Amino acid sequence: RKEVEQDPGPFNVPEGATVAFNCTYSNSASQSFFWYRQDCRKEPKLLMSVYSSGNEDGRFTAQLNRASQYISLLIRDSKLSDSATYLCVGMKAAGNKLTFGGGTRVLVKP
Amino acid sequence: ETGVTQSPTHLIKTRGQQVTLRCSSQSGHNTVSWYQQALGQGPQFIFQYYREEENGRGNFPPRFSGLQFPNYSSELNVNALELDDSALYLCASSEQGQPQHFGDGTRLSIL
Repeated sequence: RKEVEQDPGPFNVPEGATVAFNCTYSNSASQSFFWYRQDCRKEPKLLMSVYSSGNEDGRFTAQLNRASQYISLLIRDSKLSDSATYLCVGMKAAGNKLTFGGGTRVLVKP
Repeated sequence: ETGVTQSPTHLIKTRGQQVTLRCSSQSGHNTVSWYQQALGQGPQFIFQYYREEENGRGNFPPRFSGLQFPNYSSELNVNALELDDSALYLCASSEQGQPQHFGDGTRLSIL
């Protein structure tokens, strides 16, 4: 079983709609979590950190549930430019290794 | 502020050859991590360097090696290249324990 698992999608989302997806993690040693965004043939870019108390950044909301070991990302009012692969990432307290999920592909269509 | 830069952007090698990939870390960052990303998969951790010392290693064979220089730039060396080494190689820099920021990557193709 992979340490971080994601539904690969694609999630086909009408422009302006809300989309939400989760990832699950199996290694409780991971202390910090992040969502990265990766466009086709580009490098991953940090989207936001994820906290148990929830984290909102504009149209994006991330949530961490340690009891159930899952992380969620919600995108409101989807834009065409939100089309990308979203990578769920865990980092251990030592901070020396990011563990990536396989990514969830989101396609926002007019 | 200068971001993470990697060179070369693309590289074609044949099986058995050796390759060196280079990374300049973002200004102020003392930690460099290397990842391998195969097509359709998430990046896989190769190793990390912190203040010129290896600080963690993923499940990669010894033919993957690296080093970090006093200016915190880094190299990834791969010996005896195999077809399965074809991938995007990503370098990320950070301050220790902080979120990592990635360079554009080097796309390596093995023929």
